[in-house]
Amino acid sequence: KQEVTQIPAALSVPEGENLVLNCSFTDSAIYNLQWFRQDPGKGLTSLLLIQSSQREQTSGRLNASLDKSSGRSTLYIAASQPGDSATYLCAVRITGANSKLTFGKGITLSVRP
Amino acid sequence: NAGVMQNPRHLVRRRGQEARLRCSPMKGHSHVYWYRQLPEEGLKFMVYLQKENIIDESGMPKERFSAEFPKEGPSILRIQQVVRGDSAAYFCASSPPARWTEAFFGQGTRLTVV
Repeated sequence: KQEVTQIPAALSVPEGENLVLNCSFTDSAIYNLQWFRQDPGKGLTSLLLIQSSQREQTSGRLNASLDKSSGRSTLYIAASQPGDSATYLCAVRITGANSKLTFGKGITLSVRP
Repeated sequence: NAGVMQNPRHLVRRRGQEARLRCSPMKGHSHVYWYRQLPEEGLKFMVYLQKENIIDESGMPKERFSAEFPKEGPSILRIQQVVRGDSAAYFCASSPPARWTEAFFGQGTRLTVV
C-alpha cells in the first residue's frame, strides 16, 4: 500500500529565504508525482507535475525534483514571499492503477515579512 | 473555460438528513474523482467515475455513500443519514480523456453535520 509522508507538518521562515519541502513515498512504482498548493478554506492548485521518467520540473520560483529509486521528491521555493504562505501537498499516482492520487498530509508554510 | 465547479460551497445538515454534493467537470473532461479531507487528515480518495460508469469505488464507505456521473448533468456524491463524522471538505477533480493522468480540482464543498 502506497504511503506518502511530508515532514515537518509546519514550517516558518523569514521572507527572502530559499527553502526545500520534502516528500517521501513507500512504493517506487509510481506513474507521476504532483505538487499542489492549498490556501485556507480553498481548493487545490496544481503547481508542478513530474512524470516518472523525469528528474525535475521548473515553474518560476518553483523547482520540483523526483528520485524514484529512493522514493523522494523535493519542492524548492526560491526567494520566498509572504504570499507563498499556504499548505503544500505532495501526491503520487501509481503505475498500472487508475489515475487516483495518494496524498501526503501536507506542509503548512508561513513566510514572515 | 470555467474550472471544476462544485456546489454548494458550504452545506449544513442535521444528523440523519441527506447531503447531496454536486460537481460539474471542466468542459471536455469525462473523468471525475471525489476526495474527502477530514480535519487534520490528508485528502483520501473516494471514487473514480466516467460517464455513466463507476470505475473505482475502493475508497467509498460501504454504507450511506453513493456517487453517480450521469450522461447529462453534474456528478453527484450522496450521503444518506449523515453523522457528525461525515463533517469534512469534499473535493471533486476532473481530467480529460486525452491526458487522463492530470486532474484539476474544484474549490470543494465543506459539509458540517450538526
